[in-house]
Amino acid sequence: QSVLTQPPSVSGAPGQRVTISCTGSSSNIGAGYDVHWYQQLPGTAPKLLIYGNSNRPSGVPDRLSGSKSGTSASLAITGLQAEDEADYYCQSYDSRLSGYVFGTGTKVTV
Amino acid sequence: QVQLQESGPGLVKPSETLSLTCTVSGGSISSYYWSWIRQPPGKGLEWIGDFYYSGSTNYSPSLKSRVTISVDPSKNQFSLKLNSVTAADTAVYYCARAAIAVATAFDIWGQGTMVTVSS
Repeated sequence: QSVLTQPPSVSGAPGQRVTISCTGSSSNIGAGYDVHWYQQLPGTAPKLLIYGNSNRPSGVPDRLSGSKSGTSASLAITGLQAEDEADYYCQSYDSRLSGYVFGTGTKVTV
Repeated sequence: QVQLQESGPGLVKPSETLSLTCTVSGGSISSYYWSWIRQPPGKGLEWIGDFYYSGSTNYSPSLKSRVTISVDPSKNQFSLKLNSVTAADTAVYYCARAAIAVATAFDIWGQGTMVTVSS
C-alpha cells in the first residue's frame, strides 16, 4: 500500500487555483528526501511535472508549482484549465522500505 | 531524444513467470537508474525495482522474493522477470529512467504494456 497520502479528488472552476497535498512520514518526506510530481492523462504514461520539490522540467508551465515542508509536500495549479484534468501523483524515497514510493493519487476535475 | 519501449507477452498464466523487456533508443543505458513501475487497472503506481548501470539493483520489499531485473548493455535493453504470478500481478507495466540531473525523478517513461494474468 502507498505510504504517501493524497486526497482522492480536488476540483475547481476554470481560472481558479487548486492544491494537492502529499502527506508522508519521518522515513520519507520528513527525512529530507525529494518529492516529485507526475501528471497522468487517461490511457497514457505519467509525465514528470515537478522534480526536487519545486523545480519544473523544460516545457512545464509556471502555473504549476511545488513546495515541501516537514513531512508533507504540495502541488499548486493556478489558472486552472480544462487540459489540467488528470490524475496527479507525488513520489519520494523511503528509507524504511529502501525504495521509491508513490502517493495514492489525486484526480483533478475542472 | 531518448525513448523507452516495453515488449513482452500480454497474457501470462497463474504461477508462471512474467517476462518483459525495455529497449532504450536515442541514448545510452549508462549513467542512469532504470526502473520498472506497474499500475493495476484503476489503481495507483507501484515501484517494482531498479538497477544502476554499474550493476547494482534494488527491489521493492513486497516483491523482492519474486523479482529479477537484468541488463543487456550490448542491446541497450533491460528486463524484468516476475515469477509465481497471480491475478494480483495484472497491471500496466512501465519502464522508466531516473536521472541525477532531476534529483532521480522518473523523467522518461515508456508507453506501458498491459499484462493480464489469467488461465
